[in-house]
Amino acid sequence: LAKTTQPISMDSYEGQEVNITCSHNNIATNDYITWYQQFPSQGPRFIIQGYKTKVTNEVASLFIPADRKSSTLSLPRVSLSDTAVYYCLVGSYSSASKIIFGSGTRLSIRP
Amino acid sequence: NAGVTQTPKFQVLKTGQSMTLQCAQDMNHEYMSWYRQDPGMGLRLIHYSVGAGITDQGEVPNGYNVSRSTTEDFPLRLLSAAPSQTSVYFCASSPPSVQLGPIFGSGTRLTVV
Repeated sequence: LAKTTQPISMDSYEGQEVNITCSHNNIATNDYITWYQQFPSQGPRFIIQGYKTKVTNEVASLFIPADRKSSTLSLPRVSLSDTAVYYCLVGSYSSASKIIFGSGTRLSIRP
Repeated sequence: NAGVTQTPKFQVLKTGQSMTLQCAQDMNHEYMSWYRQDPGMGLRLIHYSVGAGITDQGEVPNGYNVSRSTTEDFPLRLLSAAPSQTSVYFCASSPPSVQLGPIFGSGTRLTVV
């Protein structure tokens, strides 16, 4: 899988939009970009996945530029409950691939 | 549909003891994996399996054994527990589609004293 680089931590306030960027310079043609959220004492939870341009679901948006060497997870109007660690994964998730997590971004939301 | 089930949720072992962490999934996923997560750290891949009878090493395989006799089960064995293996262990399974990532269990918190 392509190596990813994310900020170690970010702080924001309730009601703000938060953007977390992930760099993946060696992304392969078949790779998808997936973001996970992890709360303390829980397993990671799938948030969103995309291949190119923009993807939006009920909890987040994912922006991927044309060169696909980076991606940005956008969380609109965050609340205290969005405080968590966010992981960016890049890969094709074929049955033969190792799925390696990076260090993640620790997001802290303040009142 | 239970998803990925891990047992036990908590375990305390003495140094040198052995034990097996259980993981089962009912989604007919071919790919299963084990991760460990130390306090304040990210997840590190221990072993993974791409199907029954096939296993391979991840980033940190030493001290752990796995087997995959069925599609549903992927147990992780600690041969001789050490304090350095104190961690939270997560099992995950992945659907065959390339458009979805792994689904995780709720974890096993292991303490080795």
